[in-house]
Amino acid sequence: ILNVEQSPQSLHVQEGDSTNFTCSFPSSNFYALHWYRWETAKSPEALFVMTLNGDEKKKGRISATLNTKEGYSYLYIKGSQPEDSATYLCAFLNAGNNRKLIWGLGTSLAVNP
Amino acid sequence: DVKVTQSSRYLVKRTGEKVFLECVQDMDHENMFWYRQDPGLGLRLIYFSYDVKMKEKGDIPEGYSVSREKKERFSLILESASTNQTSMYLCASRGTSGGPRSETQYFGPGTRLLVL
Repeated sequence: ILNVEQSPQSLHVQEGDSTNFTCSFPSSNFYALHWYRWETAKSPEALFVMTLNGDEKKKGRISATLNTKEGYSYLYIKGSQPEDSATYLCAFLNAGNNRKLIWGLGTSLAVNP
Repeated sequence: DVKVTQSSRYLVKRTGEKVFLECVQDMDHENMFWYRQDPGLGLRLIYFSYDVKMKEKGDIPEGYSVSREKKERFSLILESASTNQTSMYLCASRGTSGGPRSETQYFGPGTRLLVL
């Protein structure tokens, strides 16, 4: 059974704090790792697609790294703002013909002003 | 920008009713998906469709059926709603597979269904 785990489950930080959370996934049969952001009352929105070991992606104050050999990805938010409050989901995509997104449960981030 | 719309944001139905959830995408995507999201269980795939009139069961298809008569529209049907189908339902679409980035799914805003 393929398992994708995210930690922590939830996080409360103050505005201006930097934060990070983890996505763990199977280290074999890797094709890609997706990060999504899901704000309350909105649609989940793709943040990053990561494919190569050592990949580092950045979008404004949010960045992500990938280690496919050990099966983890970190998402970092620098100087958190209230508008960063959302659930951050990662999804593992396996290689092969029957490719399927396996979703983590998400990390719920609340940034207090 | 890809737009995926769902017919209702909130829906209240009674046990035993037939429920239709509609999803429309405007990007000519071949693939469409229905998920449900429940606290502590994450996103679970109910059904997906890779072409008009084609459908495949996901991880939790029991109690649901789907219809894809037109490329842009994918409907989820609860034949006889039950209280354990109270959930947030999310529709998504994506284009043809052609590399990791093309596997990105575009989501609708969700329908929160309450079955009494």
